[in-house]
Amino acid sequence: GENVEQHPSTLSVQEGDSAVIKCTYSDSASNYFPWYKQELGKRPQLIIDIRSNVGEKKDQRIAVTLNKTAKHFSLHITETQPEDSAVYFCAASGGYGNKLVFGAGTILRVKS
Amino acid sequence: DAGVIQSPRHEVTEMGQEVTLRCKPISGHDYLFWYRQTMMRGLELLIYFNNNVPIDDSGMPEDRFSAKMPNASFSTLKIQPSEPRDSAVYFCASSLAREREKLFFGSGTQLSVL
Repeated sequence: GENVEQHPSTLSVQEGDSAVIKCTYSDSASNYFPWYKQELGKRPQLIIDIRSNVGEKKDQRIAVTLNKTAKHFSLHITETQPEDSAVYFCAASGGYGNKLVFGAGTILRVKS
Repeated sequence: DAGVIQSPRHEVTEMGQEVTLRCKPISGHDYLFWYRQTMMRGLELLIYFNNNVPIDDSGMPEDRFSAKMPNASFSTLKIQPSEPRDSAVYFCASSLAREREKLFFGSGTQLSVL
């Protein structure tokens, strides 16, 4: 089945700096790659997603890039703010079993 | 819409007791998922339903776990008997058929088995 690896496990940045979180997946048939944000004690919420027919997608300060050949995708957050502090999960689906498989998560801390 | 509603928010029970977690998906959603979140294993899919029918329960850890969806607006996840290693946050999520991968999560149930 699909295996999603996420790095780094923790990331600390200064307010205003950029943050990049990277994920790799194993199933070349996967075609949908969402990112979820989970604040402490809250539910995971979808913040951005990308399908395999595009290489990049932006939404204000966040962007996701996809490299299907290398089977990796990344989340980019620019001009980070303290409210960006949370756990971010990548995921992949569309491959065997067509189930959404999550990465282990990245704890992002934005220091003000 | 109030979103996906789960109850209870917190459950503390003793080993060996039966635990029932409840979920009300977003009205009109066709898919319902049960996930378990732990520090060690992250977010794991336990089971999912399409139009109230269980499609894939390969993530259910063992026979102590069971899930039902008697109608489009209600699902339960039952653990009997519960064990300390079942302690986790259990999330329910739902989605529309045309965008089944876009999950809307409930607030979760924090389960502690003593």
